[in-house]
Amino acid sequence: DAGVTQSPTHLIKTRGQQVTLRCSPISGHKSVSWYQQVLGQGPQFIFQYYEKEERGRGNFPDRFSARQFPNYSSELNVNALLLGDSALYLCASSLEGQAPSGANVLTFGAGSRLTVL
Amino acid sequence: SQQGEEDPQALSIQEGENATMNCSYKTSINNLQWYRQNSGRGLVHLILIRSNEREKHSGRLRVTLDTSKKSSSLLITASRAADTASYFCARRGMDSNYQLIWGAGTKLIIKP
Repeated sequence: DAGVTQSPTHLIKTRGQQVTLRCSPISGHKSVSWYQQVLGQGPQFIFQYYEKEERGRGNFPDRFSARQFPNYSSELNVNALLLGDSALYLCASSLEGQAPSGANVLTFGAGSRLTVL
Repeated sequence: SQQGEEDPQALSIQEGENATMNCSYKTSINNLQWYRQNSGRGLVHLILIRSNEREKHSGRLRVTLDTSKKSSSLLITASRAADTASYFCARRGMDSNYQLIWGAGTKLIIKP
């Protein structure tokens, strides 16, 4: 089985541009989460989607948006790019959605490394 | 900050030695998980410990959890060069928000 796949793996943009990152979860996983990881730091939560609905949102500006499709794949969009948006963007899928007792173990993709010049 | 604290920030040991990393947090947890990341790529789940557990083992990994001290430790025994990576703890809180809160990580270097 394929793992979590992300595309593109690397991309370079200039300030003010817009970017779309894509993610395909593991087959059978209905939850997708997006994280931003700046060099030398831990991942920062951006969004979680479950069954095509937003279930959680981190402390990121409205320039960041996401959606999940009927096949559970997901896109992360970032508008009006800033230099500070340069980071590794990680997508993770999981089985659990809403169960309070769920473990929420994440399977990560290899990430999309965004450089903003 | 919601992030936990991990220490040390960096650890360099000889192959064959044991490596211990610590993670502290501030609020009650449902579970705490440890992940490994090689060279800035995707993270790999290593082990999960629930709030009602005190110790778990998986191969050469041993995780302990002390909820009274709000801390956890990850022990890697008989380290190998392939263990060189960054290790992160991530905790899931008790509320209905299902996001994981991540620490800043410990960078582990195993010298041959």
